[in-house]
Amino acid sequence: AQKITQTQPGMFVQEKEAVTLDCTYDTSDPSYGLFWYKQPSSGEMIFLIYQGSYDQQNATEGRYSLNFQKARKSANLVISASQLGDSAMYFCAMREAYSGAGSYQLTFGKGTKLSVIP
Amino acid sequence: NAGVTQTPKFQVLKTGQSMTLQCAQDMNHNSMYWYRQDPGMGLRLIYYSASEGTTDKGEVPNGYNVSRLNKREFSLRLESAAPSQTSVYFCASSEGRSNTGELFFGEGSRLTVL
Repeated sequence: AQKITQTQPGMFVQEKEAVTLDCTYDTSDPSYGLFWYKQPSSGEMIFLIYQGSYDQQNATEGRYSLNFQKARKSANLVISASQLGDSAMYFCAMREAYSGAGSYQLTFGKGTKLSVIP
Repeated sequence: NAGVTQTPKFQVLKTGQSMTLQCAQDMNHNSMYWYRQDPGMGLRLIYYSASEGTTDKGEVPNGYNVSRLNKREFSLRLESAAPSQTSVYFCASSEGRSNTGELFFGEGSRLTVL
C-alpha cells in the first residue's frame, strides 16, 4: 500500500483564489511528520511547510497552511490568494519514527501539478 | 550559501558506461540521501547515509552504489548504466535525529542513458 497518496495529478486555480491540494497518508507509527515541497519548472525542491503528528495546531507559513486531520490521516495543503508563481508540482511527504540508524527517511507522494490561471 | 551541491547537472551516457554523481553539503548535516525522480512516480529513495561511515539501501537500490567519503560528501555510482536509469537524481541532506527531518535538496542532476 502506498504510504502517501496524492489523488489529484493536476489542478487549475484562478489567480487570487484559494486552492487545496489533497494528501492522505498511511502509517502505524504514533510519531511522524508531514511535509509539503514545491517543485517549480526550474526543478529545485523547495520546502514549504511541516506538521508533526503531536502538533495541536495546524501549521501555517505565510500563504500556506496545512489542514491536518489526524483521524482521517489527511494533510491537505491550502494555498490562499494564489499567484502565478505558485504554478508548480507539489509533493506531500512523510517521515516516520526515527529509523534507529541515525536518520529520518522521507517517503514522497507522486505529486500534484498546480496551474494558476491569470 | 551553497547548501547542497551536485555535479554534473546534465549527463548523457551510453548503455553500459559508468559514471559517478557527486554531492557535497556545507551545512554540517549528519545524514545524506540520494533520490531519483521519474515522471508520475514522485521521488524514490535510492540510498542514504545516516552518518559518516554508514550507508543503507532505500527503496530502489539496484544498479547503484554509494560512498560516504566524509561528512560533507556522498557520491552515487552507476557501474553499468541502463536506459531504465534515465532519471533526475537529487541529493539531499538533513540534520538527523535532532530535528523535524526536513530535507535540503541539491538542484538535481538530469541523466540520460541511451
